Amino acid sequence: EAGVTQFPSHSVIEKGQTVTLRCDPISGHDNLYWYRRVMGKEIKFLLHFVKESKQDESGMPNNRFLAERTGGTYSTLKVQPAELEDSGVYFCASSQVLIPTSASTDTQYFGPGTRLTVL
Amino acid sequence: ELKVEQNPLFLSMQEGKNYTIYCNYSTTSDRLYWYRQDPGKSLESLFVLLSNGAVKQEGRLMASLDTKARLSTLHITAAVHDLSATYFCAGTTTSGTYKYIFGTGTRLKVLA
Repeated sequence: EAGVTQFPSHSVIEKGQTVTLRCDPISGHDNLYWYRRVMGKEIKFLLHFVKESKQDESGMPNNRFLAERTGGTYSTLKVQPAELEDSGVYFCASSQVLIPTSASTDTQYFGPGTRLTVL
Repeated sequence: ELKVEQNPLFLSMQEGKNYTIYCNYSTTSDRLYWYRQDPGKSLESLFVLLSNGAVKQEGRLMASLDTKARLSTLHITAAVHDLSATYFCAGTTTSGTYKYIFGTGTRLKVLA
């Protein structure tokens, strides 16, 4: 079974440009999450989709970030216009269940991340 | 709001030595996760700790959870070079979105 995939693996853009990151979750996983790790800091939650609906976007930094999940399959995260502080590694994760039962060891499955550098 | 603190940030150790990574969290977490990440690769799930006193072991790694102390540990026994990676612990929120709250990660380097 294929894992979570992300494209591109690296992106280097200049301040003010636009970048779109793509995530393909594990097939059948309704829950899709975006996280970000700024260098040396913790991995922080950005938003959560259930199928095509945004369940929680409380972690999105500002309105320069736009996430979509067309048809409840893959998701894109667009940054427009990019700023220097947007540099970091963007992770996507997916899970089958929304909230695990008390005895469940289900986890979120992470992709390898997209390393974004804004110059 | 749940906060997770992990230490140390960096750990350089000799092969064959033992060491422990600590993960403290501020409020109730539904469960505690440990992940491993190799450079350029996905975060790989290592352990899911569900309840107080939980202990799980896989090879040279052993994770434990003390919910009263709000502490989880990842113990490395007789380290080998292949264990070099970044290790993350994460708790989960108990209300609203079931999202992960991560620690800063521990970058482990095992020297031959």
